[in-house]
Amino acid sequence: EPEVTQTPSHQVTQMGQEVILRCVPISNHLYFYWYRQILGQKVEFLVSFYNNEISEKSEIFDDQFSVERPDGSNFTLKIRSTKLEDSAMYFCASKGSEAFFGQGTRLTVV
Amino acid sequence: GQQVMQIPQYQHVQEGEDFTTYCNSSTTLSNIQWYKQRPGGHPVFLIQLVKSGEVKKQKRLTFQFGEAKKNSSLHITATQTTDVGTYFCAAHPPFSGYGQNFVFGPGTRLSVLP
Repeated sequence: EPEVTQTPSHQVTQMGQEVILRCVPISNHLYFYWYRQILGQKVEFLVSFYNNEISEKSEIFDDQFSVERPDGSNFTLKIRSTKLEDSAMYFCASKGSEAFFGQGTRLTVV
Repeated sequence: GQQVMQIPQYQHVQEGEDFTTYCNSSTTLSNIQWYKQRPGGHPVFLIQLVKSGEVKKQKRLTFQFGEAKKNSSLHITATQTTDVGTYFCAAHPPFSGYGQNFVFGPGTRLSVLP
């Protein structure tokens, strides 16, 4: 079965630090997404990416967030200056007719 | 923006009982997808419904899309402990292609007591 890979699985960072979350989507997919899920809550959309540019973003995705596809395979989410409330599980998804989610990166901001 | 609601938020059933979760949208949907997330896991695609009134079955799971394409349901017959998890619906807004964002409902968390 196709697989989306995310690294690291767990990241602990100090408030104000920058973090980069990495994802390797499914190779023949064209649409990529980042979602986050605060513990015990629903899955929240952050951003969608197509043709090397953002196609849609949510209110959560403010200037502190950015996405890149630097080398045609990796898809990264950068948070420039983390806040305590950024602590969550971050899921990358890759989509053809259905979405495949990665295992997630648990980000803990202390 | 588009709202997707799910009820109930939680459901506890005895093993062998049936379970149903309902998904409702404030707008007509292009299509709807259902995902299952096991505790500590990631959402896993179950099925997509596209046509008005569509019904699809996967073993003990039955999925329905409403005639007006504003609601959907997932029914599990004779639940098993392996059915434990959170079930999310995810909807595409109308007139959207596959690339556009799909909105997740808040999920229904199912517990199955052995």
